Amino acid sequence: DVKVTQSSRYLVKRTGEKVFLECVQDMDHENMFWYRQDPGLGLRLIYFSYDVKMKEKGDIPEGYSVSREKKERFSLILESASTNQTSMYLCASSLGRFNQPQHFGDGTRLSIL
Amino acid sequence: AQTVTQSQPEMSVQEAETVTLSCTYDTSENNYYLFWYKQPPSRQMILVIRQEAYKQQNATENRFSVNFQKAAKSFSLKISDSQLGDTAMYFCAFMIGEPDKLIFGTGTRLQVFP
Repeated sequence: DVKVTQSSRYLVKRTGEKVFLECVQDMDHENMFWYRQDPGLGLRLIYFSYDVKMKEKGDIPEGYSVSREKKERFSLILESASTNQTSMYLCASSLGRFNQPQHFGDGTRLSIL
Repeated sequence: AQTVTQSQPEMSVQEAETVTLSCTYDTSENNYYLFWYKQPPSRQMILVIRQEAYKQQNATENRFSVNFQKAAKSFSLKISDSQLGDTAMYFCAFMIGEPDKLIFGTGTRLQVFP
């Protein structure tokens, strides 16, 4: 089974802090994704990566950046956290072939105070 | 732009009954995939079922089946013999092109009552 592991289930940070959310997958997947989940809005794509050191903006990249130095690890960075970034963050991965399903981690509930 | 609409924010069903969750989407493409994902209260999102747009036959996975109407751009999920463990948030999602970006609906919260 594919395992996607997010480093924290719950995280509390203060405004202005630099925040790192880590995601690791163990199935040698080419594609990795970061989503944000908010009530009534579903999941919205922040950034994705289809190869090491490659990254593409999703629908809501403002205020975020990402890093993918190794194939199995995809990090989401909040350069200067703000209260409107309080949310559930989900990481996912998939094989680099057309229309393969995405596999999700457990999510990180991030609160910015 | 591609969009996915789930018009039922919340639904409930009694155990052992059948329930249908609706989903519509909008695209001008002809080749795409559709998915239903389930997110239980424990939060990990898991794949329930998927449908290839070029296949006319509706996908089935045990108690879960879809009613795919391509012309109407409709993709509903039917859950038969509902179980308490089916209580979850259900998301309809649409995928097109490389590299496999998913577009999600806003979700339907399903509660199964004993």
